[in-house]
Amino acid sequence: GESVGLHLPTLSVQEGDNSIINCAYSNSASDYFIWYKQESGKGPQFIIDIRSNMDKRQGQRVTVLLNKTVKHLSLQIAATQPGDSAVYFCAETAYNQGGKLIFGQGTELSVKP
Amino acid sequence: GAVVSQHPSRVICKSGTSVKIECRSLDFQATTMFWYRQFPKQSLMLMATSNEGSKATYEQGVEKDKFLINHASLTLSTLTVTSAHPEDSSFYICSARVPYGYTFGSGTRLTVV
Repeated sequence: GESVGLHLPTLSVQEGDNSIINCAYSNSASDYFIWYKQESGKGPQFIIDIRSNMDKRQGQRVTVLLNKTVKHLSLQIAATQPGDSAVYFCAETAYNQGGKLIFGQGTELSVKP
Repeated sequence: GAVVSQHPSRVICKSGTSVKIECRSLDFQATTMFWYRQFPKQSLMLMATSNEGSKATYEQGVEKDKFLINHASLTLSTLTVTSAHPEDSSFYICSARVPYGYTFGSGTRLTVV
């Protein structure tokens, strides 16, 4: 099956600091990108998305940046809180072509109080 | 919003038996359903894509005779793990494509003993 089956990298930050989680995607035809948060034993939870005609999108405390030139995606979390501790995945798809949703490697975020 | 109900949430079965996992779309019609498998500390790996009324499309390396997928109606897709073995122990998650993106089931933790 498709995915990156490597073990998760981890990011440890202090409460109140900003977090930046990076992701490299593989398909240049992908036109829709999503960041998900996953807590232990649960399904992915939608955080924020961005389409390929944009390079930045902001939500509440979160910002997604898209660089199509180098096929890179990042998630910025402002004023990180202990409740943000989870695993974060980026996912890509050629949505307008009815494509599959493919997940990236994931990053485990640990927030120290 | 679109909700996918996945059952069971946890199941323990004996080696050699079969297990069926169900995903139901509660308030929408799911034409396309994706099935993922996730091992501990790893990403979600796409196993197969099922379309209502047609045969599922399996990802490379996924045994279609072992992981039977049925999508007989617009509200129900099932994954049956046949002749389960301990190496099939994993977290299985379904996802449905919706007009604005994707929605996920809550996952099934399968343990084969």
